[in-house]
Amino acid sequence: KNQVEQSPQSLIILEGKNCTLQCNYTVSPFSNLRWYKQDTGRGPVSLTIMTFSENTKSNGRYTATLDADTKQSSLHITASQLSDSASYICVVTPGNFGNEKLTFGTGTRLTIIP
Amino acid sequence: DAGVIQSPRHEVTEMGQEVTLRCKPISGHNSLFWYRQTMMRGLELLIYFNNNVPIDDSGMPEDRFSAKMPNASFSTLKIQPSEPRDSAVYFCASSSTDPYNEQFFGPGTRLTVL
Repeated sequence: KNQVEQSPQSLIILEGKNCTLQCNYTVSPFSNLRWYKQDTGRGPVSLTIMTFSENTKSNGRYTATLDADTKQSSLHITASQLSDSASYICVVTPGNFGNEKLTFGTGTRLTIIP
Repeated sequence: DAGVIQSPRHEVTEMGQEVTLRCKPISGHNSLFWYRQTMMRGLELLIYFNNNVPIDDSGMPEDRFSAKMPNASFSTLKIQPSEPRDSAVYFCASSSTDPYNEQFFGPGTRLTVL
């Protein structure tokens, strides 16, 4: 069964610090991997998307990396801000489907404290 | 563009009652998705439509759930009769046929069945 596992489940850091969230997946074949940010009470919003041939993708203070050989991805947040407090969800698209069969991780709940 | 619109944002009902959730996708998008999110299971795909036609409803929990898309700008998800275990946040998302097929999520409907 295709799975996406994220760690840690939750994380608390001080404002201004950096952090890294992890995503391991078993989805195969693989098309692309996305990181979504979900604020409390809102729908997920896409941060980055990488195909299997890409190793890194940045969006402002967010940098995602991908190792397709080890089936691991990470999301690094630099100089965290209070507005970064949210859940971060790793999503993998299987290679033999379009975007219809996204496989979602259960997310990492990040809390930034002043 | 207003993004994906969902209504109501919150719904509280008693067990056994019928519940109807509504979604207006982004204009021009030809795929629409219904998801359910709980703390235990994360985001789960219930059903998706392509060009108003249901393509895969294998995620629909049981016959109490039904979804329709009478036209390109409107979809409903109905639960009849509702049960307490249906309590969750229900998201609608839409996408176009762009190369990355990014899904754009609505704000969700928080359903509580007493």
